[in-house]
Amino acid sequence: KAGVTQTPRYLIKTRGQQVTLSCSPISGHRSVSWYQQTPGQGLQFLFEYFSETQRNKGNFPGRFSGRQFSNSRSEMNVSTLELGDSALYLCASSLGTSSSYNEQFFGPGTRLTVL
Amino acid sequence: KQEVTQIPAALSVPEGENLVLNCSFTDSAIYNLQWFRQDPGKGLTSLLLIQSSQREQTSGRLNASLDKSSGRSTLYIAASQPGDSATYLCAAFALNDYKLSFGAGTTVTVRA
Repeated sequence: KAGVTQTPRYLIKTRGQQVTLSCSPISGHRSVSWYQQTPGQGLQFLFEYFSETQRNKGNFPGRFSGRQFSNSRSEMNVSTLELGDSALYLCASSLGTSSSYNEQFFGPGTRLTVL
Repeated sequence: KQEVTQIPAALSVPEGENLVLNCSFTDSAIYNLQWFRQDPGKGLTSLLLIQSSQREQTSGRLNASLDKSSGRSTLYIAASQPGDSATYLCAAFALNDYKLSFGAGTTVTVRA
């Protein structure tokens, strides 16, 4: 069974630009969560999607947004990039049944550098 | 808000020694606790998941315990090997905010 895949693996952007990252979950998984990892703040939760609906959201500005498609693939978008958005963005998938929590499996991440 | 702490931040041991990694969390109302391994610049690999009703979970040389009442979990790695060198993160899934909260991790170096 293929694992979680993320594209692209590396991105270099300049301040003010926008970026879209993609995540394909493990087949059969309906929940996709996004995290930002930086040396200073560690791993922080961005948002979670389940069956095309945002089910939970972390404390990030509105410049960070996401969506999920009917095949469970997810994208996240960051608009008006700032230097502080440079980070490793990780996506995780799980079965995500609404009444219980399941083990999360992470992708390799997308390394975003903002110049 | 769930706060997860991992102490120590870094650990260096000779090959063959047993490793003990600590994780504490402030909100005992959790669904479960998950231990991950992260190699430099890579994603997270799930090691063990302990449900809130369980006291421990084992996989090969790895054993994780969970004590909800004291807000603590411990990961034991027996007979460490240089390949065990990595950062180990614990994460608690809290009922109140329904998301994974991560500790800062413990970076382990196993010396050959």
